[in-house]
Amino acid sequence: TQLLEQSPQFLSIQEGENLTVYCNSSSVFSSLQWYRQEPGEGPVLLVTVVTGGEVKKLKRLTFQFGDARKDSSLHITAAQPGDTGLYLCAGITGNQFYFGTGTSLTVIP
Amino acid sequence: NAGVTQTPKFQVLKTGQSMTLQCAQDMNHEYMSWYRQDPGMGLRLIHYSVGAGITDQGEVPNGYNVSRSTTEDFPLRLLSAAPSQTSVYFCASSPWSNQPQHFGDGTRLSIL
Repeated sequence: TQLLEQSPQFLSIQEGENLTVYCNSSSVFSSLQWYRQEPGEGPVLLVTVVTGGEVKKLKRLTFQFGDARKDSSLHITAAQPGDTGLYLCAGITGNQFYFGTGTSLTVIP
Repeated sequence: NAGVTQTPKFQVLKTGQSMTLQCAQDMNHEYMSWYRQDPGMGLRLIHYSVGAGITDQGEVPNGYNVSRSTTEDFPLRLLSAAPSQTSVYFCASSPWSNQPQHFGDGTRLSIL
């Protein structure tokens, strides 16, 4: 059983469209991180959110941590082909990281 | 500027063989961890370490051993390889457990 569920699992959109990826759990996390992974490489950190209700922006990417610190979302505005990749959320409890199931995003030019 | 280095990059084993996946970091990070990545399942934590001499189990520790004799190195041992251990293995490190993790490029392991 996966502690963190991401949806959708796969997403294929046209360049310029907006999208939202969800990361949900029934568990509370002390913080949550979002990573992006390219084929053949390890994940690379995008952002860390710590406080319930926190919103962080990274250019066209907006990250939100749920008020109860159980869920998070990633919104991408005007997606570009360079946004293509696997997006992973990771919740942190104690000394352990729990990764989500991943969302594979393809942006078509 | 090496960061986290994993060796080998690819490996094919026969069922029952043993091997060690190597992981080294040059950032003086205290926290190191091993994950396996399988299709549709994200990354699952195998073992982690909060410092030299200290290791603990993650979500899926069975069939794997680790040790941490130095800050820099965190090898992962497969004692008797099974086909279910076919996966991509990632090592990561961070200054402390709740800090951003730096990942290696992975070891692609196939067990026949």
